[in-house]
Amino acid sequence: GQQVQQSPASLVLQEGENAELQCNFSTSLNSMQWFYQRPGGSLVSLFYNPSGTKHSGRLTSTTVIKERRSSLHISSSQTTDSGTYLCAFLNYGSSGNKLIFGIGTLLSVKP
Amino acid sequence: EAGVTQSPRYAVLQEGQAVSFWCDPISGHDTLYWYQQPRDQGPQLLVYFRDEAVIDNSQLPSDRFSAVRPKGTNSTLKIQSAKQGDTATYLCASSTTGGVETLYFGSGTRLTVL
Repeated sequence: GQQVQQSPASLVLQEGENAELQCNFSTSLNSMQWFYQRPGGSLVSLFYNPSGTKHSGRLTSTTVIKERRSSLHISSSQTTDSGTYLCAFLNYGSSGNKLIFGIGTLLSVKP
Repeated sequence: EAGVTQSPRYAVLQEGQAVSFWCDPISGHDTLYWYQQPRDQGPQLLVYFRDEAVIDNSQLPSDRFSAVRPKGTNSTLKIQSAKQGDTATYLCASSTTGGVETLYFGSGTRLTVL
C-alpha cells in the first residue's frame, strides 16, 4: 500500500490566502523532506525536517515523529507558489538509504 | 556551481524502440540516483550508484532497463523495447555520501511512448 499519504490532492487559493499541506506516513519515521516541483521542472528541497518545526520565509514545516506526520504551511500565498509539493521519508535499508515519495499536492494560486 | 544536467529534455518513441537518457551530476557528488515519475505520481527510485557501483537496483525492470556509471561521474539509463507504460519523466539526482537530505535533482527527461 501507499507508504506516504498526502492531502489534499489539489488546492486552489486566491493570492494572499494561507495553505496547509499534510503528509502522513504508514511506517516508522526516521527523517523526512518536503520538495517543490514547478510544472515541467526539477524538484527543489524545501525542508529537511526529521522532527520539530522549521521556518523558511513564508514556509513552515512541522514534523511529529511519533505521530508519523508532517505539515507544510504556506502563508500569504503568491502566484509563484503554484506547483506540486511532495513529501518524502528516508527509508534505511540493507541495500542503502532512499527517499520514498508521496504523490504530491498540486497547488494553484490565482491572482 | 553547475547543477545536475540531463538530456534530452524530451523524447517521443513508438513502442518497441530503444532510448537512452544521460545525466551529469554535480561535480564531487559520489552518489547518483535515477527516479521514474509517472504523470500525477511521486518519483519512484529505479536505481542508485555510489561512484561506479550499483547500490540498489531492485526497482529497475531488469529485462528492459539498464543503467551504468562507468567512471563514477556521468550516468546513462537505457530502455530497450519501450512500452506505453514507460511513459513518465525520468529524473536524475545526485548527493554526497550519506547526504540524501541534500539531494539535487535535474530537470528530467519527459518520455512519451506511443
